[in-house]
Amino acid sequence: AQRVTQPEKLLSVFKGAPVELKCNYSYSGSPELFWYVQYSRQRLQLLLRHISRESIKGFTADLNKGETSFHLKKPFAQEEDSAMYYCALKLRQLTFGSGTQLTVLP
Amino acid sequence: DAMVIQNPRYQVTQFGKPVTLSCSQTLNHNVMYWYQQKSSQAPKLLFHYYDKDFNNEADTPDNFQSRRPNTSFCFLDIRSPGLGDAAMYLCATSPHEGTYEQYFGPGTRLTVT
Repeated sequence: AQRVTQPEKLLSVFKGAPVELKCNYSYSGSPELFWYVQYSRQRLQLLLRHISRESIKGFTADLNKGETSFHLKKPFAQEEDSAMYYCALKLRQLTFGSGTQLTVLP
Repeated sequence: DAMVIQNPRYQVTQFGKPVTLSCSQTLNHNVMYWYQQKSSQAPKLLFHYYDKDFNNEADTPDNFQSRRPNTSFCFLDIRSPGLGDAAMYLCATSPHEGTYEQYFGPGTRLTVT
């Protein structure tokens, strides 16, 4: 059963525009959710986790248990935000979504 | 710089010819993971070691094996690669089981001819 769904494979926005990368999960308990990011020619790395409720590089993500969602948002996208973003759910181990390639256009 | 290193970055093997991918880490982490990532798909956990304890995922094919001779090194052995095993193989580490942050290597892209 697919635990983590990222419905958009590709997403393009213009610099300065708001961006939202969608993530939905299927789990009935209290989930631990994360966003990982992979910039071009770099390794996959942790961006943020829901429990810390932090903003990293201007990105935030709010867990919505009613909608089983953990969307990643940034009010003003920058060109350096262009990357592959993976949502991940931690059960026994991490389960990743299939990723969204974000392109921020100049 | 403490890091996770994977060699080689690109590996070509023939159908049915055994191949070994290697991962090393200077982070002194207890846990090492191997993921398989096919094109446009999510990284899929194959197995992990917590110290010397090997943990295989239920749906990992028997064709895939792993060895961890010491804390720093972990190997992925594919006994008889098929065309469907062509993928990016990612190694990751974490300090302990249950730690939320994993540190990834750059990956090895395996081609099967």
